[in-house]
Amino acid sequence: GENVEQHPSTLSVQEGDSAVIKCTYSDSASNYFPWYKQELGKRPQLIIDIRSNVGEKKDQRIAVTLNKTAKHFSLHITETQPEDSAVYFCAATPYSGGGADGLTFGKGTHLIIQP
Amino acid sequence: GAVVSQHPSWVICKSGTSVKIECRSLDFQATTMFWYRQFPKQSLMLMATSNEGSKATYEQGVEKDKFLINHASLTLSTLTVTSAHPEDSSFYICSARDRGGNYEQYFGPGTRLTVT
Repeated sequence: GENVEQHPSTLSVQEGDSAVIKCTYSDSASNYFPWYKQELGKRPQLIIDIRSNVGEKKDQRIAVTLNKTAKHFSLHITETQPEDSAVYFCAATPYSGGGADGLTFGKGTHLIIQP
Repeated sequence: GAVVSQHPSWVICKSGTSVKIECRSLDFQATTMFWYRQFPKQSLMLMATSNEGSKATYEQGVEKDKFLINHASLTLSTLTVTSAHPEDSSFYICSARDRGGNYEQYFGPGTRLTVT
């Protein structure tokens, strides 16, 4: 099955600086890579996702890059703000629409924005 | 749109009893729903995939006789934790995929289960 590794486990950055979180996956069949932000006791919130047919996607301060050859993808947050502090999870799945494509999550990154 | 609800939001039960958790897609039809478990300060782990009208598919290491899943309609899946023990205490989260939609999974708010 799929295995997703995520680094770092904790990331502390100064407000206004950029943050980068990296993930690698093992299953070459994986083709959908979402990123989630989760606050304590709450549901995961999708912040951005990317499919395997593109190498980069951007949404305002958030961007994701995908390298299929190396099987890794990264989350980039620019101009970080205090409200960006949370736990971030990457995930991967070999989506087929056939109903057997649950997400495999990384272990999470606790992002701390220092004022 | 794309709202998923769970009930209850939290439950406390005694060891040996059973607990049922409901997951509903409120404004879309979901042929597939997923159940995840999250222990404190850990990641989400997929427990099982629930397809409407068919038996659930369980991940390796998840006991199907302990975690009973029923997906009787396109908007409702239930997870029953049977003979619960303290080690089953966790945050249970469901997600659903829109029948006519795309890759995204919509997550419920989660159910905090505490077994005493």
